[in-house]
Amino acid sequence: DQQVKQNSPSLSVQEGRISILNCDYTNSMFDYFLWYKKYPAEGPTFLISISSIKDKNEDGRFTVFLNKSAKHLSLHIVPSQPGDSAVYFCAASALYQGAQKLVFGQGTRLTINP
Amino acid sequence: NAGVTQTPKFRILKIGQSMTLQCTQDMNHNYMYWYRQDPGMGLKLIYYSVGAGITDKGEVPNGYNVSRSTTEDFPLRLELAAPSQTSVYFCASMDFAGGQNEQFFGPGTRLTVL
Repeated sequence: DQQVKQNSPSLSVQEGRISILNCDYTNSMFDYFLWYKKYPAEGPTFLISISSIKDKNEDGRFTVFLNKSAKHLSLHIVPSQPGDSAVYFCAASALYQGAQKLVFGQGTRLTINP
Repeated sequence: NAGVTQTPKFRILKIGQSMTLQCTQDMNHNYMYWYRQDPGMGLKLIYYSVGAGITDKGEVPNGYNVSRSTTEDFPLRLELAAPSQTSVYFCASMDFAGGQNEQFFGPGTRLTVL
């Protein structure tokens, strides 16, 4: 039972254009949603998050949108830059059995083409 | 601050051998986690700890053990290594009072069991 899903394994975008990465979830108890970026041979690094009580959070070129009725969130990167090429993981946070835990999606590999 | 450090970076084990993956954080975080990432998959939680002396199982604990004698260290022990344990292992830590439920990750240990 996959509670967090990223249905696109890969995405290719031209430099300067908008990148949109999508994520779906099934559990209504998630209280925060996070996006992580991962380069090869490195650990994931935190990018941006959104509380379940909000519908948008913006940080520079990165904006996360949350649609609770559809149980869907998306990450927009505008404008896309070559350094944005990485694997992006969506994660959802919940307090479960007395501890805060993250559930991760499978990841989407973003490639920015010059 | 070094953040979260992991050793070793790479290791090859033979079936049946044992080893300990080391993880140390210098941020005084109460929460620590161990994940594994298989190719094309998201991160799966192996074990977690909410403080020194307190550990609990995650989603995929079989074949692993942990201990947490100090706030800083959270080693992961593999007993009787099996090919199914070939994976990349990530340690993470979190300050529960931080608000965003952001976890900080180490660089990972790539383990191959032959």
